[in-house]
Amino acid sequence: GAGVSQSPSNKVTEKGKDVELRCDPISGHTALYWYRQSLGQGLEFLIYFQGNSAPDKSGLPSDRFSAERTGGSVSTLTIQRTQQEDSAVYLCASRTGTGGNSPLHFGNGTRLTVT
Amino acid sequence: AQSVTQPDIHITVSEGASLELRCNYSYGATPYLFWYVQSPGQGLQLLLKYFSGDTLVQGIKGFEAEFKRSQSSFNLRKPSVHWSDAAEYFCAVVWGDTGRRALTFGSGTRLQVQP
Repeated sequence: GAGVSQSPSNKVTEKGKDVELRCDPISGHTALYWYRQSLGQGLEFLIYFQGNSAPDKSGLPSDRFSAERTGGSVSTLTIQRTQQEDSAVYLCASRTGTGGNSPLHFGNGTRLTVT
Repeated sequence: AQSVTQPDIHITVSEGASLELRCNYSYGATPYLFWYVQSPGQGLQLLLKYFSGDTLVQGIKGFEAEFKRSQSSFNLRKPSVHWSDAAEYFCAVVWGDTGRRALTFGSGTRLQVQP
């Protein structure tokens, strides 16, 4: 079946420009996560959506970062006024249910390079 | 703050040798534990998970992990490593009693397999 889909797979942008990264979760998955993976680093939690509840934004590194999830499905992560330190792979994941014990299914990520 | 530690950044083993990757987490009454593998150019794939019950869990690709509550550990093992196991391995935890549903990841262990 279809997995988590992210687009674009690669994005190169100039410093100061805004970018939008898209995530299509697995159909029926109510929970959606964004993580960031910088070179040689682990995964850094950014934001979490669960159904119609208010998102957990506790991981967003600055107010330049925002995300929305429309209709409980597709999510867009927006980075405004990009900086070179924003260069990373941005991973989206989804899972079913509200409990903590269902595994995440990850997309292949968007590799963002800020020049 | 709750955290996950993978003390070994890089491990090299010979093909056919046994493997143990370490993972420790900060205290939480109800940890849900996961190991993920990320092969070069690939997304993250779930290897195995522990929620409750038998503390020795079996996963895909011949991997297993043992949960030791007294040591706050969830080490990943494989009796005989194959060259295709070369990848980066991430331990992740959700603390079920905190209400937070985002996985916290360790910084990863990169496994190199020598012929």
